[in-house]
Amino acid sequence: QKEVEQNSGPLSVPEGAIASLNCTYSDRGSQSFFWYRQYSGKSPELIMFIYSNGDKEDGRFTAQLNKASQYVSLLIRDSQPSDSATYLCAVIRNSGGSNYKLTFGKGTLLTVNP
Amino acid sequence: EAGVTQFPSHSVIEKGQTVTLRCDPISGHDNLYWYRRVMGKEIKFLLHFVKESKQDESGMPNNRFLAERTGGTYSTLKVQPAELEDSGVYFCASSYEDTQIRKETQYFGPGTRLLVL
Repeated sequence: QKEVEQNSGPLSVPEGAIASLNCTYSDRGSQSFFWYRQYSGKSPELIMFIYSNGDKEDGRFTAQLNKASQYVSLLIRDSQPSDSATYLCAVIRNSGGSNYKLTFGKGTLLTVNP
Repeated sequence: EAGVTQFPSHSVIEKGQTVTLRCDPISGHDNLYWYRRVMGKEIKFLLHFVKESKQDESGMPNNRFLAERTGGTYSTLKVQPAELEDSGVYFCASSYEDTQIRKETQYFGPGTRLLVL
């Protein structure tokens, strides 16, 4: 079983729609959860992080965490063509010390059609 | 504030040759990470420095890989000798070493695309 699993997509949504990206993780010791956006050939860019169960909203983005189900999601409201990118889910176990290494999923390719 | 920079952006070498990748983290970031993405796979952790000290190198594939961080500033990752399976994109990331949120907020460089022929 992969440590972090994402549907590779592509996920295609029309402009203005809600894009829903999902991620599951296997390690119950995971404590911190991140969504990165990566445009083709560019560096991953952090867009959201969440630590507690529930929802966290930032502009058009909402991250949702359910630790009991080991599930993280990212909702993008009013999707724009500029949101077209690969979205990477990542977790940190934080097993002690100061090593906060990220464990990534393979990413979901999102395409927003004008 | 300048971001994380990596050099070179691309490198094409032959099997058996040596390649050295460089990463300059954001100024003031004591944490420096190396990650790698091989084609079709997820980004994977290689190692972590806190200042000049290796904190965790559990992700290093084998002893052909050597990472250093001189004086706690920039870092180099040397592959010697390179093999075909070393091809991929090597990312560097850095973060502060104070609050938990800032420790965990890693900023990534643009990556070095390595192709071993």
